[in-house]
Amino acid sequence: DGGITQSPKYLFRKEGQNVTLSCEQNLNHDAMYWYRQDPGQGLRLIYYSQIVNDFQKGDIAEGYSVSREKKESFPLTVTSAQKNPTAFYLCASSRLAENTGELFFGEGSRLTVL
Amino acid sequence: RKEVEQDPGPFNVPEGATVAFNCTYSNSASQSFFWYRQDCRKEPKLLMSVYSSGNEDGRFTAQLNRASQYISLLIRDSKLSDSATYLCVVRKGYGQNFVFGPGTRLSVLP
Repeated sequence: DGGITQSPKYLFRKEGQNVTLSCEQNLNHDAMYWYRQDPGQGLRLIYYSQIVNDFQKGDIAEGYSVSREKKESFPLTVTSAQKNPTAFYLCASSRLAENTGELFFGEGSRLTVL
Repeated sequence: RKEVEQDPGPFNVPEGATVAFNCTYSNSASQSFFWYRQDCRKEPKLLMSVYSSGNEDGRFTAQLNRASQYISLLIRDSKLSDSATYLCVVRKGYGQNFVFGPGTRLSVLP
């Protein structure tokens, strides 16, 4: 089955530690995205990538970093510089060539900073 | 003004009721429109794409009014399982990002 796999599903981190969230897709989509969702809030874009080895900052990129070395993979690192990292992180992908293509989401990673 | 705005909610309705959600967007260049459903602590899932002529899928009807920059979702004969947050999503076009509204929470009560 095609889809997006995020791991880990739950992650606990001590303050000051960097953590990396994995996102893999086998949908052959060009574009991949990372969103953050806080309780009772909408989704906010952290980073996105439309092509391998290229990515762009979203609305709340500070304290985060990404890489896109392979089309299938778009890992997100939450660095110690991110002041409020506890949140639900969602990875998504879409076809770039289609003007109307929708977003497909992974199941999310829930990060808690202790 | 936010780029995509939705009814603040929450909406609490009895089973069998008809409920309508509204969404407005500020960028007239927007080209693609979607309604997503998000259950508590889960990822959003596509409910419907919204087409210019309007479209229907069973109990769900979506309408788009480009002149007023307004999208709606109508749910008829609501079920307990319809309880979720409904997200309005807008995309400006090829290579452009998706912009999410804050969502409207629906609780269908027995």
